[in-house]
Amino acid sequence: LAKTTQPISMDSYEGQEVNITCSHNNIATNDYITWYQQFPSQGPRFIIQGYKTKVTNEVASLFIPADRKSSTLSLPRVSLSDTAVYYCLVGDMSAYNTDKLIFGTGTRLQVFP
Amino acid sequence: DAGVIQSPRHEVTEMGQEVTLRCKPISGHDYLFWYRQTMMRGLELLIYFNNNVPIDDSGMPEDRFSAKMPNASFSTLKIQPSEPRDSAVYFCASSFGQGPSPLHFGNGTRLTVT
Repeated sequence: LAKTTQPISMDSYEGQEVNITCSHNNIATNDYITWYQQFPSQGPRFIIQGYKTKVTNEVASLFIPADRKSSTLSLPRVSLSDTAVYYCLVGDMSAYNTDKLIFGTGTRLQVFP
Repeated sequence: DAGVIQSPRHEVTEMGQEVTLRCKPISGHDYLFWYRQTMMRGLELLIYFNNNVPIDDSGMPEDRFSAKMPNASFSTLKIQPSEPRDSAVYFCASSFGQGPSPLHFGNGTRLTVT
């Protein structure tokens, strides 16, 4: 079971960079790391996904060290609209496994003006 | 694409009544998932389908819960009889392919059982 551990909550101010780290010590060779964002009254929304090193898109960056036992979601210059819950999931490349579709508690990010 | 569509958005029912939640996945997606979210338990995977076939229903809490996918564009989650502890937000998600393909979630159905 690729259990993930994240901080329960984080606070930031507008314009700051926010880094949320997820620990996944039991990650398997075939596992990808995927981050989702959830606003109140909405379903989780895909943000970014990676396997190793660094991935960047228009929304965020994902840093994955060589041992892949953790990953860090980086949100540059957050705004009030980035206030949400962020989840990391560890999933198998080859096939879905129910264990790998489990969302943890997520990190509740609060951005202040 | 309109994304994953769930109906109704809100459902209020009395204990003992049958409840049916509906989901239309994104066209072309071959995986469909039902999740339940509560404050106490977070997001729980209930069941998922591949090509309309249920693959794993180990997360379905009790025999009162059943899910079907009669075709590639429609799925239902039924609770009969409903109980107050079933009150939660139920999400449907779909994805294309296996493994790392991201899940696309609908906006959920908020179920309240009184």
